[in-house]
Amino acid sequence: GDSVTQMEGPVTLSEEAFLTINCTYTATGYPSLFWYVQYPGEGLQLLLKATKADDKGSNKGFEATYRKETTSFHLEKGSVQVSDSAVYFCALSGIGNTPLVFGKGTRLSVIA
Amino acid sequence: EPEVTQTPSHQVTQMGQEVILRCVPISNHLYFYWYRQILGQKVEFLVSFYNNEISEKSEIFDDQFSVERPDGSNFTLKIRSTKLEDSAMYFCASSELLGRGGYTFGSGTRLTVV
Repeated sequence: GDSVTQMEGPVTLSEEAFLTINCTYTATGYPSLFWYVQYPGEGLQLLLKATKADDKGSNKGFEATYRKETTSFHLEKGSVQVSDSAVYFCALSGIGNTPLVFGKGTRLSVIA
Repeated sequence: EPEVTQTPSHQVTQMGQEVILRCVPISNHLYFYWYRQILGQKVEFLVSFYNNEISEKSEIFDDQFSVERPDGSNFTLKIRSTKLEDSAMYFCASSELLGRGGYTFGSGTRLTVV
């Protein structure tokens, strides 16, 4: 079945550092891809999405490009802030009526 | 911005008791979901619901679980006889389109079974 693999955390960075969180997927056809963020004590918020190959999703300085050839959707941000500390989940929605499938999440801590 | 609302935010229950978790999806959304997240683990799909019936469910969603849309606004998850391993954060979500547009999640209900 469809699955998502993302890098293990936790990731600890200094403020203004460059962030990459790797995500790869296994799915039939062309799934839609998502990054969700979970701030401490809160629910899951959609951060960005891409629905077809080579699409780039972006929001709040975060970006991810849908790479069909490498089945990847890595999350990047050029300069992280303390307020970006959260757990980040990569997810996919497959073809047909399949529910959203999540990776295990990567905890990011940004220190001042 | 429209929100998915979940109540209560935290519920403690004794093993063997029934619990009902409540959700109010976004009003023009047609698809509804329950997910759970055991502490420190991945977010797992439980069930999806459309047109007043279950459209898909996972292996986790056994006979102990049921969902209902009792009126035009609420969407509930019932666990008939809770076990210790049911302790988790339960998230409700809704979507306009099935899957590809992304879901809107509520803030979750933390269920603790003692």
